[in-house]
Amino acid sequence: AQSVTQLGSHVSVSEGALVLLRCNYSSSVPPYLFWYVQYPNQGLQLLLKYTTGATLVKGINGFEAEFNKSQTSFHLRKPSVHISDTAEYFCAVTQGGGSYIPTFGRGTSLIVHP
Amino acid sequence: SQTIHQWPATLVQPVGSPLSLECTVEGTSNPNLYWYRQAAGRGLQLLFYSVGIGQISSEVPQNLSASRPQDRQFILSSKKLLLSDSGFYLCAWSRQVDEAFFGQGTRLTVV
Repeated sequence: AQSVTQLGSHVSVSEGALVLLRCNYSSSVPPYLFWYVQYPNQGLQLLLKYTTGATLVKGINGFEAEFNKSQTSFHLRKPSVHISDTAEYFCAVTQGGGSYIPTFGRGTSLIVHP
Repeated sequence: SQTIHQWPATLVQPVGSPLSLECTVEGTSNPNLYWYRQAAGRGLQLLFYSVGIGQISSEVPQNLSASRPQDRQFILSSKKLLLSDSGFYLCAWSRQVDEAFFGQGTRLTVV
């Protein structure tokens, strides 16, 4: 079985600040991990993904995430956020050997204010 | 390139009326298809998924059903809507463990 926990349902930061969104996962086999972003009344878009290889992955819009197997974490960060980063962020996990259904966290609402 | 179409974007329906939401995928074959419902602050709830034509798995027993009449077509239906069916519905597809691609969503309001 697989699951995802996102700590903090709401995060509010000032423009230009560093932001860290937390994600912990549970998976019985090596996981595939994803971060998605959702703007109001839209579908989800992929920010970045980890499959194998380098544990630090870089995505679009200056976001990056680090896979930490020992801590079962995949935290998302951006060194300097912009107002346009205000959105909902979802962490997700899939695992091989089954039906590959993605499991999503509850989401973190990020608000960036001037 | 692959695209996913979901319609309508918004829908207001009276209680007790039927529902049909349609989703089609282009540019790929034999995708996994999903219907999710999103309620404010509650993340994405998986309603149905399909790994092939006519193969539907239900994750949550409820007032809704799904069908996959063609390889790249996924339909969400209800015979009689309830107030609790209101929400934001998202269709998505993926290939095995790779990323999921989402439609733009349907905002359903049952009145």
